Parts: sequence; C-alpha cells; structure tokens
Amino acid sequence: DAGVIQSPRHEVTEMGQEVTLRCKPISGHDYLFWYRQTMMRGLELLIYFNNNVPIDDSGMPEDRFSAKMPNASFSTLKIQPSEPRDSAVYFCASSSSTQGSSQPQHFGDGTRLSIL
Amino acid sequence: AQTVTQSQPEMSVQEAETVTLSCTYDTSENNYYLFWYKQPPSRQMILVIRQEAYKQQNATENRFSVNFQKAAKSFSLKISDSQLGDTAMYFCAFMNWGGSEKLVFGKGTKLTVNP
Repeated sequence: DAGVIQSPRHEVTEMGQEVTLRCKPISGHDYLFWYRQTMMRGLELLIYFNNNVPIDDSGMPEDRFSAKMPNASFSTLKIQPSEPRDSAVYFCASSSSTQGSSQPQHFGDGTRLSIL
Repeated sequence: AQTVTQSQPEMSVQEAETVTLSCTYDTSENNYYLFWYKQPPSRQMILVIRQEAYKQQNATENRFSVNFQKAAKSFSLKISDSQLGDTAMYFCAFMNWGGSEKLVFGKGTKLTVNP
C-alpha cells in the first residue's frame, strides 16, 4: 500500500515568495496532520483535519500560513509571504479512527523547506 | 495540557548491547496512548511501538520493548541486541483517548549505535 505522499521533497525559494506544500494521505484515513520540525522547537503540530474539516489550527504560527483539504485525498499547506524563519522540515501524517481505538499516525517523508 | 519529556538528548551504545531510552509525561487523563517513533538520517518518521494506557502488559515488538509505569507516568524504550540500523532520533509521543487525535511529542533522543 502507498504511504503518505508529500511533494516536493525539497524546496528552496527566496524570501517573500509563496510556497505550497502538498500531501496525499493514505486512502481511507480520515485524519490528516501537518507538522513542522526544527532543531530549536522539535516537532510542532500546525493543524489537523478530520473528514476534510479543520479541527484545530492553534499551532499555525501566523496568518502567513494557511492549510486546505479540498477532498479526502489531498491537502496543501501554503506560506505567503515566506520568511527565512519558516525554514524547516514539514511533515504530513494521516491516521484512521474507529470507535474506541485510535490508530497510529503514518508520516510522509517530509518536505525540507529552505527560505533564502 | 499534556507534556512529554525526554531527558537524554543523546545516547550511545555498542552494537549487540542493550540500551534504554527514558520518557516521562504529564497528564490528568486516565486513558491515553503512548508511542515511540524512530527518525533515521533519511528523515522518515517510523512507528516503533505503541502502548494503550489501560493495558498493564508492556508492549513488545521484536527487539523493542517498553517499560510502562502508569503511576510514575514513565514510558521507557528498551532496545535489545542493538544494530547499526538503530542509529536514529527517537521520539516519545502521547495521545489522548478518544476525541482529539493530536500527538504531543518529546524533544527526542539521538541514539548512536557504535560498531
């Protein structure tokens, strides 16, 4: 089975540019998560969706960040305008839930974002 | 809010030996899940092992086992017969039972297995 697919794997762009990160969750999973990983702050949850609906976006750093999930098989995380401090590895993860039993999250390979 | 603490930023072990990574957490909940994830240099996040808080028996997966002490809020990972491929960052994570599926991660422990 295909895992969580993220693209691009690497992104280098200049400050001020718009950046779009993409994620395809595992088919049948109803939860989707976006994380950011930096040396200083570790793994931080930015936002997560359940059945394509954003549930908690309290981790989104500021208005420059936005995330969408137009359907069950696709999500985007957008940064506009980008800043050097946004440089990090961004992970997408998905999971499924059955009543009374949460399933572990499966992670994509991440996108390494560098803002110059 | 729940917190997860990994007090060992770095550890090393000789190949074939056993190593234990520590994790403590803070929660007022009674039912929850605990996980260990491995992140090798390739940067993938790989699930190593999972424990349900209501189960008294410690989870095991081949060479990996946990020591879950609910009263002490401790969840350590033991790796037996360490292999070079075990070199990675190891993250402990907490999830509440039901409702939110949010994972709270510790800062990680960098494990190096030496030949």
